[in-house]
Amino acid sequence: EVQLVESGGGLVQPGGSLKLSCAASGFTFSDYWMSWVRQAPGKGLEWVAKIKTDGSEKYYVDSVKGRFTISRDNAKNSLYLQMNSLRAEDTALYYCARGGISHFASWGQGTLVIVSS
Amino acid sequence: QSALTQPASVSGSPGQSITISCTGTSSDVGSSNLVSWYQQHPGKAPKVIIYEVTKRPSGVSNRFSGSKSGNTASLTISGLQTEDEADYYCCSFAGSSTLVFGGGTKLTVL
Repeated sequence: EVQLVESGGGLVQPGGSLKLSCAASGFTFSDYWMSWVRQAPGKGLEWVAKIKTDGSEKYYVDSVKGRFTISRDNAKNSLYLQMNSLRAEDTALYYCARGGISHFASWGQGTLVIVSS
Repeated sequence: QSALTQPASVSGSPGQSITISCTGTSSDVGSSNLVSWYQQHPGKAPKVIIYEVTKRPSGVSNRFSGSKSGNTASLTISGLQTEDEADYYCCSFAGSSTLVFGGGTKLTVL
């Protein structure tokens, strides 16, 4: 069974940093593109970033370019999102998702990030 | 990277069929067969129900179907059931290897 478990969310002040993690199991992690998708409270889904199987290609939504960095450790079956210079509008539930080309086949339950003073 | 356009809400009675539209541009929906649809129940993670415009993942009811014409993709749910009441999102490959979601549609089964 595919499992994606996010962690690392919390309350952070504007301008601060946070690193999210996603532990994957139940599939060959290194075979799949991986993505982060977020959902602001009461709002819709927004794709944030994706990373190729070997980490050689990374893509971001314009609003996070230069502030967020996606990475992965295939030896640890883990996906990460380093978030710097956080803004109030980054407040959201952040989902780890398997996929990034055709579709998002599996999702975690999300980790909540709140940016507030 | 503008969000795709979906109706905010649709409704139908049990047994009826409904269609949710997802309108983009020639840079995303219009130029890609990588359109997918997701169902999200309150407090739950999204679940893919259609991918690559028309394909259904294993285990998804054949009451769900997808199509595309020009810059607009559509999700049709036939034989509406109460458990279909949820939010639905479309997503498309958007060029430059980015992805974009629609704003979401709340389906109410009356």
